Parts: sequence; C-alpha cells; structure tokens
Amino acid sequence: AQTVTQSQPEMSVQEAETVTLSCTYDTSESDYYLFWYKQPPSRQMILVIRQEAYKQQNATENRFSVNFQKAAKSFSLKISDSQLGDAAMYFCAYRSAVQGIQGAQKLVFGQGTRLTINP
Amino acid sequence: DAGVTQSPTHLIKTRGQQVTLRCSPISGHKSVSWYQQVLGQGPQFIFQYYEKEERGRGNFPDRFSARQFPNYSSELNVNALLLGDSALYLCASSLWSGNNQPQHFGDGTRLSIL
Repeated sequence: AQTVTQSQPEMSVQEAETVTLSCTYDTSESDYYLFWYKQPPSRQMILVIRQEAYKQQNATENRFSVNFQKAAKSFSLKISDSQLGDAAMYFCAYRSAVQGIQGAQKLVFGQGTRLTINP
Repeated sequence: DAGVTQSPTHLIKTRGQQVTLRCSPISGHKSVSWYQQVLGQGPQFIFQYYEKEERGRGNFPDRFSARQFPNYSSELNVNALLLGDSALYLCASSLWSGNNQPQHFGDGTRLSIL
C-alpha cells in the first residue's frame, strides 16, 4: 500500500517571501501521479499542482513549483511571493497510474501542513 | 457552470442512527468518489462509482454504502453511526473513471455525531 507523509504540521512565512512544504511518499509502483491540494477554511479541496512521475521536469504553476526527486521519493512544494490568500491547509497526495485497476481515481493523502502567512 | 454540489452542508445525528449524504457532480461528469476527512487528518478514500457501478472501495466497514443514479448523482449511506464517524465527507467528480482524469471536489458535508 502507498503512504504519504508530511512531516511539518504547521509552517509560517512572511508575506512576499518564499516557503517550502515537504512531502515524502512510499510506493513500489514506477508510474504514478503526485498532487498538492489546498484546503482553505471554506473546506473545498483545490488542486494547486500536479506532477507525472515519468516526467523529469518539475511542474510549475505561476508562483507554485515542485521539487520532485523520484529516487528519494520526495515531492516538495515551493510557494514564491507568498500572499495572504495562500493561507490554508496543504495536502500532498498520490495516485497510481497503473491502468485498469479498481479505484483508479483513489487519492492517498498526507496529514497536511497548515500554512500561515504573516502580513 | 455549477461545481460539485453536496447536501446537506452540516448534519447532526446521534449514535446508532442512519444518515444519507448527497452529491451532484459537475454536468457531464460520470465518475464520483467519496472521501472521509476526520478533523486534523487528510481525506481517506471510501468509494468510487462510475456509470452506476462501484469501481473501488477503501478500507471502511460495511456500515458504509453508496450508489450512483442514472443522472450520475450519488448518495453515501452510513448505518449504525458511531462517534468516530464524525467527519467532513467530501465528494469529487471527474469526466471518466481513469486515473489520469482531474478530480473536482465539493465543499463537503460536515457530519457531527452526538
């Protein structure tokens, strides 16, 4: 079974600065997807960024980028120029890319990191 | 276009009761998944349904059941409620059942068991 671990329960950063959230995972599969989701107090889980394991290039979405280290099974999220609206719970998640399996869309989530932005 | 809608927003039940939670996927989406998020933890996968058939089940007891209707909406039923069932229940939808499909989440139903 796959597991996802986020070792930082809470992080804080000054507005406009950069912060990195850590995530490690365990799997025996070679092909999979990794995600970072943001969950503000409104509760809706919002996709921040997605990485395909077969791609060596790290994914980037505006101020959000990842550092994907497949051999180390590490997947960190870097938020640049932090804004007050970035304050939320951030979850790292794993999904298998094996074709034809039951529960193909099952996401395995970490425990989350609460990010606070200080003005 | 409307996103994933869940009802009710908040529900209070007592131990031993039964509850039904509802989810309407984004228009055109045929796959629905359910997750349980206990306070302070990440969501845990309960079920995936596609074209009215169960396509995946997480490690939850038989007290949990679900179904999907011809219009692709879905219900999650929980019988014999326990205090530990108190959680946020999230529904997510996608166009197809494949693992390369992006999922869109609703705002969830907060279930409190007294």
